[in-house]
Amino acid sequence: QKEVEQNSGPLSVPEGAIASLNCTYSDRVSQSFFWYRQYSGKSPELIMSIYSNGDKEDGRFTAQLNKASQYVSLLIRDSQPSDSATYLCAVNTGSNYQLIWGAGTKLIIKP
Amino acid sequence: DADVTQTPRNRITKTGKRIMLECSQTKGHDRMYWYRQDPGLGLRLIYYSFDVKDINKGEISDGYSVSRQAQAKFSLSLESAIPNQTALYFCATSLYTGELFFGEGSRLTVL
Repeated sequence: QKEVEQNSGPLSVPEGAIASLNCTYSDRVSQSFFWYRQYSGKSPELIMSIYSNGDKEDGRFTAQLNKASQYVSLLIRDSQPSDSATYLCAVNTGSNYQLIWGAGTKLIIKP
Repeated sequence: DADVTQTPRNRITKTGKRIMLECSQTKGHDRMYWYRQDPGLGLRLIYYSFDVKDINKGEISDGYSVSRQAQAKFSLSLESAIPNQTALYFCATSLYTGELFFGEGSRLTVL
């Protein structure tokens, strides 16, 4: 059974601090990794995708991938109250681009 | 207007009724998906289609059927709705890269 694990939270972070979200996956052949943000009652929206080991930065967001340890993380710098949401990790484990989803981590940014 | 449009957005129905959820997209993507989201369980794939003549079952297809009427249209049917099909349903599209773009969701309640 291919799995993607996330801490459900809630993760509470003070405004302006760095929020660190983690995700582990079970299938070593996974190739593509995605972070989505979902506000309550809304649809998921793509924040970052990462395909190779290392860091990928986009504005205040940094995705980190370590295939040897089978984890992917998302860092949010200078956290804002508007970052409060559930963050979903998704992993592609095959050639047909079906995604396996984590259950999400709820992030709360406290003013 | 949204690139991925779902109708209806909310529906309350009774056990045994036939329900159709419709999805249309203007993104020009070949790949379309239907997901179900339940609290604490994350997103689960019901069906997916990589082109008009291609329909594939996801991990939870029992009790559901789909129709790909055109590149831009993908419908999900519940032939005889039951209460445990109460959930939030999302349609999504993607390119071959696997990055998903979601509709706004259809909240279905089966009494």
